[in-house]
Amino acid sequence: QVQLQESGSGLVKPSQTLSLTCAVSGGSISYGGYSWSWVRQPPGQGLEWIGYIYHTGSAYYNPTLQSRVTIYVDTSKDQFSLKLKSVTAADTAVYYCARVQLWAIDFWGQGTLVTVSS
Amino acid sequence: QSALTQPASVSGSPGQSITISCTGTSNDVGGYDYVSWYQQHPGKAPRLVISEVSNRPSGVPDRFSGSKSGNTASLTISGLQTEDEADYYCSSFTTSSALFVFGTGTKVTVL
Repeated sequence: QVQLQESGSGLVKPSQTLSLTCAVSGGSISYGGYSWSWVRQPPGQGLEWIGYIYHTGSAYYNPTLQSRVTIYVDTSKDQFSLKLKSVTAADTAVYYCARVQLWAIDFWGQGTLVTVSS
Repeated sequence: QSALTQPASVSGSPGQSITISCTGTSNDVGGYDYVSWYQQHPGKAPRLVISEVSNRPSGVPDRFSGSKSGNTASLTISGLQTEDEADYYCSSFTTSSALFVFGTGTKVTVL
């Protein structure tokens, strides 16, 4: 059973960079049949796809966030990471990492709340 | 990137059937069989209940079923149970530069 676990700072100051890492266990991130994604959910709101990456390092981003987001993968550690720069209060959300197969998210991390506040 | 359109809320009594719609365009829902549905209880991560329009993952009760007609996909819950009270989101592959889009979400209430 694949498990994903987010880690990183839960409090980020405005204008700074949000950094999160997702550790994958129970399966190798190097298997080519999946992509690895970040999704966020502002308090009381719906889900928003941030982007995803393949084990090769090819990444795709939500156009609304593309100028501020980077996702990268470390296959040696079976983990992938998210960086979102120049954050504002609007970036306050629960951030989920997830595995995607055939455009369906079949495994999710438990989620981590990131608050943007001074 | 435009979200797929879902009704804000749907309700039903235990044992009844309800259907949640998810409307997109020919660039997403209507053009590809990559529609998924997720169930989310308060404070929990979403859970996949339907993939590829109508495939039910292992462990998902058979009272959950999915279908699609034109640009609209649907999730039907038959024999509604109290534990089905949750938020439900659809998603789809899209040919827009985003490649992946969620629905607006539907709150299901069991009366």
